[in-house]
Amino acid sequence: GAGVSQTPSNKVTEKGKYVELRCDPISGHTALYWYRQSLGQGPEFLIYFQGTGAADDSGLPNDRFFAVRPEGSVSTLKIQRTERGDSAVYLCASSLPADTQYFGPGTRLTVL
Amino acid sequence: AQTVTQSQPEMSVQEAETVTLSCTYDTSENNYYLFWYKQPPSRQMILVIRQEAYKQQNATENRFSVNFQKAAKSFSLKISDSQLGDTAMYFCAFMLFNNDMRFGAGTRLTVKP
Repeated sequence: GAGVSQTPSNKVTEKGKYVELRCDPISGHTALYWYRQSLGQGPEFLIYFQGTGAADDSGLPNDRFFAVRPEGSVSTLKIQRTERGDSAVYLCASSLPADTQYFGPGTRLTVL
Repeated sequence: AQTVTQSQPEMSVQEAETVTLSCTYDTSENNYYLFWYKQPPSRQMILVIRQEAYKQQNATENRFSVNFQKAAKSFSLKISDSQLGDTAMYFCAFMLFNNDMRFGAGTRLTVKP
């Protein structure tokens, strides 16, 4: 079946702008995760959804970052007032509860 | 807090030979999962192998096998008969049953022809 998909593949924006990154999980996966991967580093956890609710958002760096999953499937990561330090690859993963996470191809965000 | 350490930033191996990537982790929990993921230049994180901490038998997947030493909190990955397509970043990851997952900094593996 189809894997995790993420759009856009690449996003270039200017400092101060608002961006939305989309994740479409594997069908039937109730758990969805967002990670941020800076150059040369491993992914860092941002937020985890179980169904529609955020079960753990302790990794969100500040209140400029917000994520939603209104129908328990597609999720959107929203970043307000982007800063150059937000430049990274944003990875999404999905899984069955407490099971292996399967990743999407990521969105490379560049803030100029 | 759980931490994952990969002490080898870069490694190389000749095609058809065997290479071992190291990973150690720190946790006070008894039940958890360990994973190795591969990330080629395409950015896609691909699951290589998974180990449940309660299983004593080491996991194997074709040319990939692990040496899981629970007491030592060590989880190394052995790649046999290395192929050019194995060239990638390899990440060791630790996950509690509450889905809290932590990654190491990665090892860049180059397979040379």
